[in-house]
Amino acid sequence: QSALTQPRSVSGSPGQSVTISCTGTSSDIGAYNYVSWLQRHPNKAPRVVISDVYNRPSGVPDRFSGSKSGNTASLTISGLQAEDEADYYCCSFAGYHINWVFGAGTKLTVL
Amino acid sequence: QITLEESGPTLVKPTQTLTLTCTFSGFSLSTSIEGVGWIRQPPGKALEWLGHIYQNDDLRYSPSLKNRLTIAKDTSKNQVVLTMTNMDPVDTGTYFCAHHWGYFDLWGQGIEVTVSS
Repeated sequence: QSALTQPRSVSGSPGQSVTISCTGTSSDIGAYNYVSWLQRHPNKAPRVVISDVYNRPSGVPDRFSGSKSGNTASLTISGLQAEDEADYYCCSFAGYHINWVFGAGTKLTVL
Repeated sequence: QITLEESGPTLVKPTQTLTLTCTFSGFSLSTSIEGVGWIRQPPGKALEWLGHIYQNDDLRYSPSLKNRLTIAKDTSKNQVVLTMTNMDPVDTGTYFCAHHWGYFDLWGQGIEVTVSS
């Protein structure tokens, strides 16, 4: 299965907003509203910040928001904080044969 | 509180079989919608779903790896075991287990596995 496409890196200053895109196909992101976003700090367990395209799990700040248009999902982080600096990965359901596909990750740098 | 922790060898030789254990707490695989999955990440590459197992022993495997993978659970020990045969250097990477409830909502920290002679 093909991985989802993410930009390798994005950056922003504290207080700014950044958006990370995740492009798939009509067989994964375009077909299902089962897109999640993971945040991973170095040597830490990945943490889900967005599930099912838009939903924020309990404990995730409302600065994190998700959206989807066609075959592309997006994660927006507003009011950037230093602690947001991490790698972000997208994940989508891709049907009952392939099941789940992931992106290669985007490194967010807070300047 | 749900936690998961991967354990196993960090170095295996080509052609050997890798066996990793995911020990979890905070849930008991007692709900049919609940499961445990395995995901890996080669260095610099995308995360790759390997497979997962549900409470009712429903198993799902990556089509590209299904001939090499076995996932099994030991409910009494709160463990899920991943076995991957015929390891190759391209299988080098970080292996994660994750709780699955509609999506992979809680993850272990991962274990780095190197395949080298």
